[in-house]
Amino acid sequence: EAQVTQNPRYLITVTGKKLTVTCSQNMNHEYMSWYRQDPGLGLRQIYYSMNVEVTDKGDVPEGYKVSRKEKRNFPLILESPSPNQTSLYFCASSLLNREPQYFGPGTRLTVL
Amino acid sequence: GQQLNQSPQSMFIQEGEDVSMNCTSSSIFNTWLWYKQDPGEGPVLLIALYKAGELTSNGRLTAQFGITRKDSFLNISASIPSDVGIYFCAGQLPRYSGGGADGLTFGKGTHLIIQP
Repeated sequence: EAQVTQNPRYLITVTGKKLTVTCSQNMNHEYMSWYRQDPGLGLRQIYYSMNVEVTDKGDVPEGYKVSRKEKRNFPLILESPSPNQTSLYFCASSLLNREPQYFGPGTRLTVL
Repeated sequence: GQQLNQSPQSMFIQEGEDVSMNCTSSSIFNTWLWYKQDPGEGPVLLIALYKAGELTSNGRLTAQFGITRKDSFLNISASIPSDVGIYFCAGQLPRYSGGGADGLTFGKGTHLIIQP
């Protein structure tokens, strides 16, 4: 089944403890991106990747890192999480840039 | 980023009623997308529109790309309980307008609630 998977689905952590949210797609998509969703603010793009080893900042990149070493994986890294990064995070992918994106199931992160 | 105004913010309807929601912007878009998000899930693509004036259906859903390229609407006919969720529009800017590599901007969503 064609899909975007994220792990973990739920995570509670403490301020400053490094964490990684994994994202994987099995559709051979070139384009991948990360969003956060907050009440009243909608979906905002954090980082995106046009292809392997090519990443760039979205609208709200501060406090986040990404890497794209393989086509199928696009992990989101929070080196030192803070409470304002408590949010619902979505990974998405599309065959090419500027094609409709397919979203993962989401990761709900709480930073205490 | 660009602003998309999605309305209404929420809708309370009776099962069987038709639903209409729309997105407007001051910017011109090349593509309009409509997504639905169920509770605890990620957005799922419903309809993609690529041409001004285009009218596309997906079952009971119909969406149109506005002729001015600045708006789009989504209609749901004869609503059923599983239509409950949040509906998002997303507009994609032309390459020359910037907005990042994908130029994608999301509306804030329309919460659809069906009353028994």
